[in-house]
Amino acid sequence: GAGVSQSPSNKVTEKGKDVELRCDPISGHTALYWYRQSLGQGLEFLIYFQGNSAPDKSGLPSDRFSAERTGGSVSTLTIQRTQQEDSAVYLCASSPPGSLYNEQFFGPGTRLTVL
Amino acid sequence: QQQVKQSPQSLIVQKGGISIINCAYENTAFDYFPWYQQFPGKGPALLIAIRPDVSEKKEGRFTISFNKSAKQFSLHIMDSQPGDSATYFCAAKRGTGFQKLVFGTGTRLLVSP
Repeated sequence: GAGVSQSPSNKVTEKGKDVELRCDPISGHTALYWYRQSLGQGLEFLIYFQGNSAPDKSGLPSDRFSAERTGGSVSTLTIQRTQQEDSAVYLCASSPPGSLYNEQFFGPGTRLTVL
Repeated sequence: QQQVKQSPQSLIVQKGGISIINCAYENTAFDYFPWYQQFPGKGPALLIAIRPDVSEKKEGRFTISFNKSAKQFSLHIMDSQPGDSATYFCAAKRGTGFQKLVFGTGTRLLVSP
C-alpha cells in the first residue's frame, strides 16, 4: 500500500517568508509525528498527534512553528518568518493503532532551504 | 538524560566485513531501541529493534547487542554489502504507546566493493 507522502519534496524560500509543509500519513494510522533533520544531525522531534488527544508540542523550537492535523489525517507544519537556521529536512512519520511499540513509518521528507 | 550518543560518525568497511555501530543512553526509562536505515533522499526505515529484556536480537545479517547494565547497544552488520551503504540511526523510546523517538546523530556507512 501507499506509504507516508510529503509535499513539496523541496522548498526554497526567502528569509522572512512563511512556508507550509504537508504530510499525508498511511491510511488508518492514528499517530502522526514531525521531525527535523539538520545536516550532520540526528532527527529532532517537533510535535506529534494521536487521535483526538491534544498534540505533544514539546519539541517545537519556537512560536514560529505550528502544526495542525485536520480530520485525523493530513497534517500541515507551518513555519512563519523563516530564518536560515530553519533550513533542514522535515520528516513526517505515522504509526498504526494497536502496535505495542508503535513502529513509526517515515515519509521521504521535505527539504527546506531558506536563503 | 534524553540524549542518545552514537559512534562512529562515519565508517568504511570492505565488502564481506563486519560493520559495528555503537550507541549509549542515560535515561533508564527507555525500553525500546530501534535502528533505522536511511538512503539518500529517502526517509528512515525501521531495520531492527530490541527491548531490554533480551541481550541480542538477530534478523538475517543484522544483529543488535544490548547491554542493559552499561546502557549501551550496538548494531552489527555481518557480511556487509555495498547495498548496505546508508546512514544508520539508533533511537530510543520510553514506554509503550505513542511516545517520541530520541535519535542518535547517525553513522554514515560506506561498504567498498
